[in-house]
Amino acid sequence: EVQLVESGGDLVQPGRSLRLSCAASGFTFDDYAMHWVRQAPGKGLEWVSSISWNGVATGYADSVKGRFTLSRDNAKNSLYLQMNSLRAEDTAFYYCAKATCSSINCYGGAFDIWGQGTLVTVSS
Amino acid sequence: QSVLTQPPSASGTPGQRVTISCSGSRSTIGINTVTWYQRFPGMAPKLLIYSDNQRPSGVPDRFSGSKSGTSASLAISGLQSEDEADYYCTAWDDSLSGHWVFGGGTKLTVL
Repeated sequence: EVQLVESGGDLVQPGRSLRLSCAASGFTFDDYAMHWVRQAPGKGLEWVSSISWNGVATGYADSVKGRFTLSRDNAKNSLYLQMNSLRAEDTAFYYCAKATCSSINCYGGAFDIWGQGTLVTVSS
Repeated sequence: QSVLTQPPSASGTPGQRVTISCSGSRSTIGINTVTWYQRFPGMAPKLLIYSDNQRPSGVPDRFSGSKSGTSASLAISGLQSEDEADYYCTAWDDSLSGHWVFGGGTKLTVL
């Protein structure tokens, strides 16, 4: 079964750091790019970050650029989102999603498999 | 404010045909494909339509997508109560350094 399982969400104070993980199974992890998408309370979906199949290329939303770092360990079929200098507005459910191609973007590309999400709450 | 514009809500009665629009720009929908996701409360989003009008296996053919210029639409025919959900469009934005953008989402209510 193709599956993505996120972990690492927690309640943290503003300015602190948190690392989210996403464990993949059921598909050849290093064939595909991966993404993080979040949904804040009462808001819509927001793209956060993407990484290519080999980790060489990454992309970030302006709202997290310079604070978040996305990486992957293909040997462990795992994706990691290091979140630093967290702000209240980073409070959200964070979902990892599998791309349908190996690069961050490809014509016709989509996010075809999603995890169930992990909750990050930034509050003092 | 989302780069892709969707109506916040839509509604229909069982059996009806409903369409949800997604308006973008040349750098988004104009030159890139549109994807649609369905999301039930408390659940992960589900891929519904990709490449503007392609359905993944398992998605009923009641769901269809189309695109013209810088706008796209999701149509649901033969509306069913279980279609009540939030629907999101997304596309790659070639402006600046390139990034994915989502619409604000449309809550579909089956009356």
